[in-house]
Amino acid sequence: EPEVTQTPSHQVTQMGQEVILRCVPISNHLYFYWYRQILGQKVEFLVSFYNNEISEKSEIFDDQFSVERPDGSNFTLKIRSTKLEDSAMYFCASTRLAGALSSYNEQFFGPGTRLTVL
Amino acid sequence: AQSVTQLDSHVSVSEGTPVLLRCNYSSSYSPSLFWYVQHPNKGLQLLLKYTSAATLVKGINGFEAEFKKSETSFHLTKPSAHMSDAAEYFCVVSETYKYIFGTGTRLKVLA
Repeated sequence: EPEVTQTPSHQVTQMGQEVILRCVPISNHLYFYWYRQILGQKVEFLVSFYNNEISEKSEIFDDQFSVERPDGSNFTLKIRSTKLEDSAMYFCASTRLAGALSSYNEQFFGPGTRLTVL
Repeated sequence: AQSVTQLDSHVSVSEGTPVLLRCNYSSSYSPSLFWYVQHPNKGLQLLLKYTSAATLVKGINGFEAEFKKSETSFHLTKPSAHMSDAAEYFCVVSETYKYIFGTGTRLKVLA
């Protein structure tokens, strides 16, 4: 069964450093997402991406964050200058379609990357 | 605007007894609703989903949920809890491009 994969599973970085989190969505999916979950808190939407551009982003997704689909398979989240409060689990998700066709709204989540900023 | 309220942050049940995890939602349109489970240090696994077909939805591992529009609820139930059900459960509402997660309910199953 196809699945979303994420690398690395755990990333440790120093404050101020840049990190890139990588995701490989399911191959025939068209919409891609990043979410984060700070330890002990709920999962929060960061950004959605379709047709090589951002569809929607949350208030959390400020200028320190960027997303990219550099090739036909990878989807990346970059944090330019990490802060202590960026420490969290980051989940990538993908879906075939979104919007009015609600029956296709199921998002498939990767296992997450745990980011620790020291 | 969409929102999800999970009414209990923690639920404890004895093994073999029924489970009820409560979820209320707010949505302007006909939403899609989901329940996800997260075991410790694991990712998010879909338990079940409601997408405007049958109002009683059956999921994996014996879980089911009933969509009640009049009550704007989507409670998760299971007739008999198992030790392996101990986890965090998230109710999710989706209208278009994003999921809105509830704050989660931690289920504890006592032997």
